[in-house]
Amino acid sequence: DGGITQSPKYLFRKEGQNVTLSCEQNLNHDAMYWYRQDPGQGLRLIYYSQIVNDFQKGDIAEGYSVSREKKESFPLTVTSAQKNPTAFYLCASSIDLPGDHYGYTFGSGTRLTVV
Amino acid sequence: AQSVTQPDIHITVSEGASLELRCNYSYGATPYLFWYVQSPGQGLQLLLKYFSGDTLVQGIKGFEAEFKRSQSSFNLRKPSVHWSDAAEYFCAVDGVPGNTPLVFGKGTRLSVIA
Repeated sequence: DGGITQSPKYLFRKEGQNVTLSCEQNLNHDAMYWYRQDPGQGLRLIYYSQIVNDFQKGDIAEGYSVSREKKESFPLTVTSAQKNPTAFYLCASSIDLPGDHYGYTFGSGTRLTVV
Repeated sequence: AQSVTQPDIHITVSEGASLELRCNYSYGATPYLFWYVQSPGQGLQLLLKYFSGDTLVQGIKGFEAEFKRSQSSFNLRKPSVHWSDAAEYFCAVDGVPGNTPLVFGKGTRLSVIA
């Protein structure tokens, strides 16, 4: 079945460490997105990518980095510069940007906890 | 910039009762509108979408939504709520200018009581 796989589901990180969250899709979608979700804040866009080797900052990109070397993969690195990284992270994809006609397909998320 | 408002943070309904979740957007033209549902600890699932035609849209799980241009609204409804509908619901609208990501509301959490 086609879909988006995020791994790991739970991740613990020590303060000062970088950590990379994986997002892989086999839907042949061109566009991919990373969102951060905190209670009561909804979904906040971190980065998005319309095509391989291209990505754009979202509303809260500071302290995060991404790469898009393959169409299927869009990993997110949470760096030590991110002041409050504990959150639920969601990856999504769409056929194209902005995904108007068909909407987004979401992964099941990664919960990151800084200890 | 485009924005989406979901005025209700949390709603509690009895099982079997009807449901309406509110969504208002700011946009000049006819937008593309979406409703998503999220179960705890999970990703979002698309319930329904609207971008043209009939203003009453049917979705999965027995949900429907009505686009009202005069009120800039796209409210989600269900005639009879089941306990399994307890979840968080997000309204989304296409971004402005074109070729920018969808804009999501902050969500409405639905609780269902017996």
